Amino acid sequence: AQTVTQSQPEMSVQEAETVTLSCTYDTSENNYYLFWYKQPPSRQMILVIRQEAYKQQNATENRFSVNFQKAAKSFSLKISDSQLGDTAMYFCAFMNWGSSNTGKLIFGQGTTLQVKP
Amino acid sequence: KAGVTQTPRYLIKTRGQQVTLSCSPISGHRSVSWYQQTPGQGLQFLFEYFSETQRNKGNFPGRFSGRQFSNSRSEMNVSTLELGDSALYLCASSLDNSYEQYFGPGTRLTVT
Repeated sequence: AQTVTQSQPEMSVQEAETVTLSCTYDTSENNYYLFWYKQPPSRQMILVIRQEAYKQQNATENRFSVNFQKAAKSFSLKISDSQLGDTAMYFCAFMNWGSSNTGKLIFGQGTTLQVKP
Repeated sequence: KAGVTQTPRYLIKTRGQQVTLSCSPISGHRSVSWYQQTPGQGLQFLFEYFSETQRNKGNFPGRFSGRQFSNSRSEMNVSTLELGDSALYLCASSLDNSYEQYFGPGTRLTVT
């Protein structure tokens, strides 16, 4: 079974500091995509960052970056210079490539991040 | 461009009733996926539609169904509602053959 595991149910960080959220996944496929989504209290799911499995270079989007370790099936999210607006639940997700997997994101259980002033 | 919209935002139904939820994708997006979010089960994939055809389906009972119209708008229907169907239902749209999904604000369904 394809699964995503986020081992940290809750985390907190002081404003302006750096925090890393962990994610591991299990798939037998070689081609897939990985994502981090953010869900603030409004419940609107927002795409934070994406990574194609065939790319060795780690993705970066402003203050957000990932550490993608394909062999270890690990995909962590680093948030630098944390801001109060980063307070949200963060979901790690992946999508296998291929016609039988189309449109299907598999999500982890989420990590609730609180940024403290 | 306008984002993904979902109607209604909140809904209260009684056990045994049926419900229809609507999702309008971002203009130009032809793929629509539906997810159920509950505290116990997390986010689970229901189904995906593209060009009015269901391309993929999750592991949900037949009470859950959907359809897509020629303008890419999608609806999902749940018949014979159960208490366990209480959840936030999210839809997401994407471009053809794209893996990036953009989510709507969700419909909060409460079954009493």
